[in-house]
Amino acid sequence: DGGITQSPKYLFRKEGQNVTLSCEQNLNHDAMYWYRQDPGQGLRLIYYSQIVNDFQKGDIAEGYSVSREKKESFPLTVTSAQKNPTAFYLCASSSSGQTNEKLFFGSGTQLSVL
Amino acid sequence: QKEVEQNSGPLSVPEGAIASLNCTYSDRGSQSFFWYRQYSGKSPELIMSIYSNGDKEDGRFTAQLNKASQYVSLLIRDSQPSDSATYLCAVNLISSGSARQLTFGSGTQLTVLP
Repeated sequence: DGGITQSPKYLFRKEGQNVTLSCEQNLNHDAMYWYRQDPGQGLRLIYYSQIVNDFQKGDIAEGYSVSREKKESFPLTVTSAQKNPTAFYLCASSSSGQTNEKLFFGSGTQLSVL
Repeated sequence: QKEVEQNSGPLSVPEGAIASLNCTYSDRGSQSFFWYRQYSGKSPELIMSIYSNGDKEDGRFTAQLNKASQYVSLLIRDSQPSDSATYLCAVNLISSGSARQLTFGSGTQLTVLP
């Protein structure tokens, strides 16, 4: 079945630690996205990529980093510079990154701070 | 003023009634509008998209768009308990003449009472 796989489902971060969230898609989509969702809030865009080896900052990129070495993969690293990382992280993809396209979402990763 | 604004709710309706969800947005030049449904702890799923003024119907769902007044609404007819979820409005706002990636509202929590 085609879709987006995020792992792990739950992740705990210690003070000063970097953690990486995985996102893999087999939909052959060009564009991939990372969103952050806080309780009772909508989704806020962290980073997006419309093509391999290129990515753009979203609205809240500070304290995060990404890479896009393969079309299928778009991992997100939450660095120690992100002082309030506790949130639900959603990876999404769309066919070509046009703003009128449907987004397909993964099942999410809940990140908490120990 | 938020760029995409929704009543946070919660909104409660009895089973079989019509649920009406509203969304206003800040940029008159926006072209693409989406409604996503998100069950608690799950990822969002697209239920409606609309691009032109007027109504668009899909089964029990009707999206209504009024670009002059900068609002988009979602009507759910014959509401069912399974419709209980948070509904997210998403809009591609315009920045410096170009469409930005989707901006999400904070969502309206709907409860359908049996």
